[in-house]
Amino acid sequence: GAGVSQSPRYKVAKRGQDVALRCDPISGHVSLFWYQQALGQGPEFLTYFQNEAQLDKSGLPSDRFFAERPEGSVSTLKIQRTQQEDSAVYLCASSLELVAYNEQFFGPGTRLTVL
Amino acid sequence: KNQVEQSPQSLIILEGKNCTLQCNYTVSPFSNLRWYKQDTGRGPVSLTIMTFSENTKSNGRYTATLDADTKQSSLHITASQLSDSASYICVVIPSTGTASKLTFGTGTRLQVTL
Repeated sequence: GAGVSQSPRYKVAKRGQDVALRCDPISGHVSLFWYQQALGQGPEFLTYFQNEAQLDKSGLPSDRFFAERPEGSVSTLKIQRTQQEDSAVYLCASSLELVAYNEQFFGPGTRLTVL
Repeated sequence: KNQVEQSPQSLIILEGKNCTLQCNYTVSPFSNLRWYKQDTGRGPVSLTIMTFSENTKSNGRYTATLDADTKQSSLHITASQLSDSASYICVVIPSTGTASKLTFGTGTRLQVTL
């Protein structure tokens, strides 16, 4: 596709529900990143993949958060037993390679609201 | 504590006026510094990318400056347009550790009015 796409764009969940957020990176991009952006704040790193390998998940806030990219393309961020503090925009980004100067292209984000 | 601080938090200017947004960082050493524009409900889009050895970079009406000695960067917007209304985020990429760990500032929310 022309850019990074994410679905759903909006998700409302009741506290305790599980949610799954999808990211379709730019075709051919090796690296994929997930960020969490609270209202009025800058994005914060959650995890990243190089192809199907999850090389860094140090930003995941708890073991309720899980991400996968089984075939090195589409990625899913899963949040189990959602809490109100999980309400945020979840951004996905991809880049051609994992080098510092490579630009990360962002998707539009999924806005998660936990009631 | 956030290693990238931006000011002001928000700014309202009249269409056609210029403005300057500030970014102070403590991330060191770093490989490059970027300014992103984030429209409401959209993902961030890169405006400028500067390495530590560059001190200015332009992209149309956007000009970014970098002073690596004082660890400050600024984004100057010339002849503002209504479409410039967005959040502007300063991002620093460290040269050590994982290249993926972008450090984002909290952003400056700019509103351009008639």
